[in-house]
Amino acid sequence: QVQLVESGGGVVQPGRSLRLSCAASGFTFSSYTMHWVRQAPGKGLEWVAYFSYDGTNKYYADSVKGRFTISRDNSKNTLSLQMTSLRAEDTAVYYCTRDRQVVHFDYWGQGTLVTVSS
Amino acid sequence: QTVVTQEPSFSVSPGGTVTLTCGLSSGSVSGSHYPSWYQQTPGQAPRSLIYSTNTRSSGVPDRFSGSILGNKAALTITGAQADDESDYYCVLYMGSGIVVFGGGTKLTVL
Repeated sequence: QVQLVESGGGVVQPGRSLRLSCAASGFTFSSYTMHWVRQAPGKGLEWVAYFSYDGTNKYYADSVKGRFTISRDNSKNTLSLQMTSLRAEDTAVYYCTRDRQVVHFDYWGQGTLVTVSS
Repeated sequence: QTVVTQEPSFSVSPGGTVTLTCGLSSGSVSGSHYPSWYQQTPGQAPRSLIYSTNTRSSGVPDRFSGSILGNKAALTITGAQADDESDYYCVLYMGSGIVVFGGGTKLTVL
């Protein structure tokens, strides 16, 4: 069965960096575009970034552009999010999600919590 | 900057019908935005309900339906049940790699 398992969250000071990972299993990872979506405590969902299945395109929300980098390793079935220059407003649960067909997010991980605080 | 608008809250009686909408701060929603809908209960990851305007995701009951109504995407729940009480989010693809979530609608069934 399809599984997405995020890891790497934690408490980090403002201005520091953190790397999130998403381990995928149960499907052909290299055939799917993958996204990161986040949710600040008590707030709505916010799209963060995506990496196309064929590796040709990466896109970012304006709120993270220039600070976050999405990557994928199709040989290891892993999606990553390198986050730098973290701010308090980046505090959120970060979800990894599979895109079956143009923003059809059919599977989601359980999320990993990132807290940016001094 | 594009803002995707949703009703902040809505209430429906058990067995009733409710239509939640998803609009744009500027312009109309169409099928080319591939509107999709997600249900989320507290502490859980979102669940896909509808994609590409009106296609139900696997396992979603047929009392959930999607459409375009006027200049907005719409999610209609027919015969609302107590466990439909959740937050509902729409998502639009804006082109050029940009994806935008709506602010979400908190649905109360009472």
